[in-house]
Amino acid sequence: DTGVSQNPRHKITKRGQNVTFRCDPISEHNRLYWYRQTLGQGPEFLTYFQNEAQLEKSRLLSDRFSAERPKGSFSTLEIQRTEQGDSAMYLCASSGRAGADTGELFFGEGSRLTVL
Amino acid sequence: GEDVEQSLFLSVREGDSSVINCTYTDSSSTYLYWYKQEPGAGLQLLTYIFSNMDMKQDQRLTVLLNKKDKHLSLRIADTQTGDSAIYFCAESYMDSNYQLIWGAGTKLIIKP
Repeated sequence: DTGVSQNPRHKITKRGQNVTFRCDPISEHNRLYWYRQTLGQGPEFLTYFQNEAQLEKSRLLSDRFSAERPKGSFSTLEIQRTEQGDSAMYLCASSGRAGADTGELFFGEGSRLTVL
Repeated sequence: GEDVEQSLFLSVREGDSSVINCTYTDSSSTYLYWYKQEPGAGLQLLTYIFSNMDMKQDQRLTVLLNKKDKHLSLRIADTQTGDSAIYFCAESYMDSNYQLIWGAGTKLIIKP
Protein backbone atom coordinates (compact mmCIF):
# COMPACT_ATOMS: atom_id res chain seq x y z
CA ASP A 1 0.00 0.00 0.00
CA THR A 2 1.39 3.39 -0.94
CA GLY A 3 -0.32 5.40 1.77
CA VAL A 4 -3.11 7.94 1.63
CA SER A 5 -3.51 9.50 -1.79
CA GLN A 6 -5.27 12.77 -2.54
CA ASN A 7 -6.05 14.50 -5.79
CA PRO A 8 -5.90 16.97 -7.24
CA ARG A 9 -2.92 18.33 -5.34
CA HIS A 10 -3.76 21.88 -6.28
CA LYS A 11 -6.98 23.40 -7.54
CA ILE A 12 -7.47 27.01 -8.61
CA THR A 13 -11.06 28.06 -9.17
CA LYS A 14 -13.18 31.14 -9.49
CA ARG A 15 -15.56 32.17 -6.76
CA GLY A 16 -18.94 30.51 -7.14
CA GLN A 17 -17.66 27.37 -8.85
CA ASN A 18 -17.95 23.88 -7.38
CA VAL A 19 -14.90 21.77 -6.61
CA THR A 20 -14.46 18.13 -5.64
CA PHE A 21 -11.50 16.48 -3.95
CA ARG A 22 -10.84 12.77 -3.77
CA CYS A 23 -9.10 10.74 -1.09
CA ASP A 24 -7.95 7.13 -1.34
CA PRO A 25 -7.13 5.91 2.18
CA ILE A 26 -4.92 3.04 3.23
CA SER A 27 -6.94 -0.02 2.30
CA GLU A 28 -6.95 -1.74 5.71
CA HIS A 29 -8.18 1.37 7.52
CA ASN A 30 -11.84 1.75 8.43
CA ARG A 31 -11.78 5.38 9.59
CA LEU A 32 -11.40 8.32 7.26
CA TYR A 33 -11.15 11.99 8.20
CA TRP A 34 -11.24 15.30 6.37
CA TYR A 35 -9.44 18.29 7.84
CA ARG A 36 -8.84 21.82 6.65
CA GLN A 37 -5.64 23.71 7.39
CA THR A 38 -4.81 27.35 6.84
CA LEU A 39 -1.41 28.96 7.17
CA GLY A 40 -0.13 29.05 10.73
CA GLN A 41 -2.92 26.89 12.11
CA GLY A 42 -3.35 23.30 13.15
CA PRO A 43 -5.72 21.01 11.27
CA GLU A 44 -9.39 21.88 11.70
CA PHE A 45 -11.73 18.89 11.80
CA LEU A 46 -14.38 18.79 9.08
CA THR A 47 -15.90 15.32 9.06
CA TYR A 48 -15.27 11.66 9.84
CA PHE A 49 -16.35 8.30 8.42
CA GLN A 50 -16.36 4.85 9.96
CA ASN A 51 -16.50 2.61 6.89
CA GLU A 52 -19.24 4.16 4.72
CA ALA A 53 -21.08 5.88 7.58
CA GLN A 54 -20.50 9.57 8.16
CA LEU A 55 -20.49 9.64 11.96
CA GLU A 56 -19.55 13.19 12.70
CA LYS A 57 -19.53 16.53 10.98
CA SER A 58 -18.14 19.77 12.38
CA ARG A 59 -20.82 22.19 13.54
CA LEU A 60 -18.76 24.93 11.91
CA LEU A 61 -19.04 23.29 8.52
CA SER A 62 -21.18 25.18 6.04
CA ASP A 63 -23.90 23.28 4.20
CA ARG A 64 -21.99 24.06 1.01
CA PHE A 65 -19.62 21.27 2.06
CA SER A 66 -20.57 17.64 1.56
CA ALA A 67 -18.56 14.46 1.84
CA GLU A 68 -19.24 10.89 0.82
CA ARG A 69 -17.61 7.54 1.19
CA PRO A 70 -20.00 5.38 -0.83
CA LYS A 71 -18.40 1.95 -0.51
CA GLY A 72 -16.31 2.49 2.58
CA SER A 73 -13.18 2.94 0.49
CA PHE A 74 -12.36 6.23 -1.25
CA SER A 75 -14.04 9.47 -0.21
CA THR A 76 -14.94 12.71 -1.95
CA LEU A 77 -15.29 16.19 -0.49
CA GLU A 78 -17.35 18.63 -2.55
CA ILE A 79 -17.52 22.36 -1.97
CA GLN A 80 -20.36 24.12 -3.75
CA ARG A 81 -20.42 27.82 -4.64
CA THR A 82 -16.87 28.34 -3.44
CA GLU A 83 -15.93 31.51 -1.58
CA GLN A 84 -12.51 33.10 -1.12
CA GLY A 85 -12.60 32.06 2.53
CA ASP A 86 -12.61 28.42 1.41
CA SER A 87 -9.01 28.78 0.22
CA ALA A 88 -7.01 26.33 2.33
CA MET A 89 -5.26 22.99 2.32
CA TYR A 90 -7.74 20.12 2.57
CA LEU A 91 -6.21 17.13 4.29
CA CYS A 92 -7.46 13.57 4.31
CA ALA A 93 -6.33 11.00 6.87
CA SER A 94 -7.13 7.39 7.60
CA SER A 95 -6.71 5.16 10.61
CA GLY A 96 -8.04 2.05 12.28
CA ARG A 97 -5.90 -0.93 11.37
CA ALA A 98 -7.57 -4.00 12.88
CA GLY A 99 -5.55 -5.54 15.70
CA ALA A 100 -3.14 -2.60 15.93
CA ASP A 101 -5.27 0.45 16.50
CA THR A 102 -3.47 3.28 18.28
CA GLY A 103 -5.57 5.99 16.70
CA GLU A 104 -2.59 7.07 14.63
CA LEU A 105 -3.66 9.13 11.63
CA PHE A 106 -1.93 8.65 8.31
CA PHE A 107 -2.24 11.82 6.28
CA GLY A 108 -2.21 12.41 2.57
CA GLU A 109 -0.21 15.26 1.05
CA GLY A 110 -3.31 17.42 0.90
CA SER A 111 -5.25 19.25 -1.80
CA ARG A 112 -4.62 22.97 -1.90
CA LEU A 113 -7.60 25.07 -2.94
CA THR A 114 -7.20 28.63 -4.17
CA VAL A 115 -10.41 30.55 -4.80
CA LEU A 116 -9.93 33.69 -6.90
CA GLY B 1 -13.99 22.13 26.44
CA GLU B 2 -10.80 20.42 25.35
CA ASP B 3 -7.85 22.61 24.47
CA VAL B 4 -4.24 21.95 23.46
CA GLU B 5 -1.73 24.77 23.67
CA GLN B 6 1.78 25.17 22.30
CA SER B 7 4.15 28.07 21.93
CA LEU B 8 4.33 29.25 18.33
CA PHE B 9 8.11 29.35 17.81
CA LEU B 10 11.29 27.74 19.12
CA SER B 11 14.76 28.71 17.96
CA VAL B 12 17.78 26.49 18.70
CA ARG B 13 21.35 26.15 17.47
CA GLU B 14 22.28 23.22 15.28
CA GLY B 15 23.61 20.41 17.46
CA ASP B 16 21.74 21.54 20.59
CA SER B 17 18.69 19.81 22.02
CA SER B 18 15.23 21.15 21.20
CA VAL B 19 12.41 20.86 23.72
CA ILE B 20 8.91 21.54 22.43
CA ASN B 21 6.20 21.81 25.06
CA CYS B 22 2.45 21.24 24.99
CA THR B 23 -0.28 21.55 27.59
CA TYR B 24 -3.73 20.04 27.41
CA THR B 25 -6.84 20.36 29.50
CA ASP B 26 -8.66 17.03 29.33
CA SER B 27 -7.23 14.31 31.55
CA SER B 28 -9.23 11.52 29.89
CA SER B 29 -7.10 11.41 26.75
CA THR B 30 -5.98 7.98 25.63
CA TYR B 31 -3.04 8.76 23.35
CA LEU B 32 -0.93 11.85 22.85
CA TYR B 33 0.88 12.41 19.58
CA TRP B 34 3.58 14.50 18.03
CA TYR B 35 3.23 15.20 14.32
CA LYS B 36 5.75 16.93 12.09
CA GLN B 37 4.91 19.07 9.07
CA GLU B 38 7.61 20.25 6.70
CA PRO B 39 6.91 23.20 4.37
CA GLY B 40 4.38 22.29 1.68
CA ALA B 41 4.03 18.74 2.95
CA GLY B 42 1.44 16.70 4.79
CA LEU B 43 1.52 15.77 8.46
CA GLN B 44 3.75 12.91 9.52
CA LEU B 45 3.45 11.09 12.83
CA LEU B 46 6.74 11.32 14.73
CA THR B 47 5.83 9.46 17.86
CA TYR B 48 3.00 8.86 20.29
CA ILE B 49 2.64 7.94 23.93
CA PHE B 50 -0.11 6.05 25.69
CA SER B 51 -1.60 8.01 28.55
CA ASN B 52 -0.46 5.55 31.22
CA MET B 53 3.21 6.02 30.26
CA ASP B 54 5.59 8.67 31.60
CA MET B 55 8.29 8.52 28.97
CA LYS B 56 9.01 7.12 25.57
CA GLN B 57 12.34 7.21 23.75
CA ASP B 58 12.91 6.59 20.07
CA GLN B 59 16.40 7.33 18.76
CA ARG B 60 16.86 11.13 18.98
CA LEU B 61 13.31 11.68 20.23
CA THR B 62 12.21 11.60 23.87
CA VAL B 63 8.61 12.18 24.89
CA LEU B 64 7.80 13.07 28.49
CA LEU B 65 4.26 13.04 29.85
CA ASN B 66 3.30 14.62 33.17
CA LYS B 67 -0.34 13.69 33.67
CA LYS B 68 -0.65 15.61 36.93
CA ASP B 69 0.29 18.87 35.22
CA LYS B 70 -1.22 17.84 31.86
CA HIS B 71 2.08 18.61 30.19
CA LEU B 72 3.67 16.84 27.23
CA SER B 73 7.10 17.55 25.82
CA LEU B 74 9.15 16.44 22.84
CA ARG B 75 12.92 16.55 23.09
CA ILE B 76 14.99 16.28 19.92
CA ALA B 77 18.63 15.54 20.65
CA ASP B 78 21.40 16.88 18.39
CA THR B 79 19.03 19.05 16.37
CA GLN B 80 19.80 19.09 12.64
CA THR B 81 18.74 21.45 9.85
CA GLY B 82 16.45 18.69 8.59
CA ASP B 83 14.46 19.00 11.81
CA SER B 84 13.20 22.42 10.71
CA ALA B 85 9.42 22.04 10.58
CA ILE B 86 6.23 22.74 12.46
CA TYR B 87 5.56 20.30 15.29
CA PHE B 88 1.95 19.63 16.31
CA CYS B 89 0.83 18.15 19.59
CA ALA B 90 -2.50 16.27 19.55
CA GLU B 91 -4.55 14.17 21.94
CA SER B 92 -7.20 11.57 21.29
CA TYR B 93 -9.87 9.66 23.16
CA MET B 94 -10.68 6.05 22.51
CA ASP B 95 -14.29 6.68 23.52
CA SER B 96 -14.66 9.27 20.77
CA ASN B 97 -13.29 6.99 18.05
CA TYR B 98 -9.87 8.62 18.38
CA GLN B 99 -11.00 12.10 17.45
CA LEU B 100 -7.92 14.29 17.68
CA ILE B 101 -7.68 17.65 19.39
CA TRP B 102 -4.79 19.62 17.89
CA GLY B 103 -2.49 22.35 19.08
CA ALA B 104 -1.66 25.22 16.71
CA GLY B 105 1.88 23.96 16.13
CA THR B 106 5.38 25.08 17.14
CA LYS B 107 7.70 26.22 14.38
CA LEU B 108 11.23 24.95 15.05
CA ILE B 109 13.90 27.27 13.68
CA ILE B 110 17.47 26.00 13.47
CA LYS B 111 20.32 28.51 13.72
CA PRO B 112 23.69 27.54 12.22
